[in-house]
Amino acid sequence: QQPVQSPQAVILREGEDAVINCSSSKALYSVHWYRQKHGEAPVFLMILLKGGEQKGHEKISASFNEKKQQSSLYLTASQLSYSGTYFCGTEEAKAAGNKLTFGGGTRVLVKP
Amino acid sequence: DGGITQSPKYLFRKEGQNVTLSCEQNLNHDAMYWYRQDPGQGLRLIYYSQIVNDFQKGDIAEGYSVSREKKESFPLTVTSAQKNPTAFYLCASSMRWQGGYTFGSGTRLTVV
Repeated sequence: QQPVQSPQAVILREGEDAVINCSSSKALYSVHWYRQKHGEAPVFLMILLKGGEQKGHEKISASFNEKKQQSSLYLTASQLSYSGTYFCGTEEAKAAGNKLTFGGGTRVLVKP
Repeated sequence: DGGITQSPKYLFRKEGQNVTLSCEQNLNHDAMYWYRQDPGQGLRLIYYSQIVNDFQKGDIAEGYSVSREKKESFPLTVTSAQKNPTAFYLCASSMRWQGGYTFGSGTRLTVV
């Protein structure tokens, strides 16, 4: 069962902040975040392991709440280059060997 | 430069024909994956392989076949049994037990 992402879409003005959520009904070992520009391949942003750590990539950061099986991606002071579709990918068990199940994606549009 | 190459970028085939999509990586990654992406949707796992000569079915393996004879190569065959093969196909690779995915640029398959 794929993780659920919310919201499905968000429109921002340059400099504004946004939060994208990813929820799973299953216990997770890790959560990955990727960004895909239109017609291109997804690009890896960051990975979070269970333990609630927070990571960052430029002004994009994320957290992982393993008790709730939820991860959130924070877009801070958004730039035009942040536009694209963001996907979370969840790894349910270490034994599965880094196999990811992806959410449906969140479309982000940053306007000048 | 290391990377993952998919070819061709666009592919047109007549209904009922088998077609093979190429995926080659020079990242020395153990694991390789095939995902299918339909317009406006997330990525669904078709097949994955963690080591040479071994592969497992993903969530939507019916109508597809793969082989992993070399570490660098993981071709996907879309057979005539696949009822709705028109889609964007993405190949990815990663270390076997950890790390983010590196995606290829994708193959857009259209069956007419």
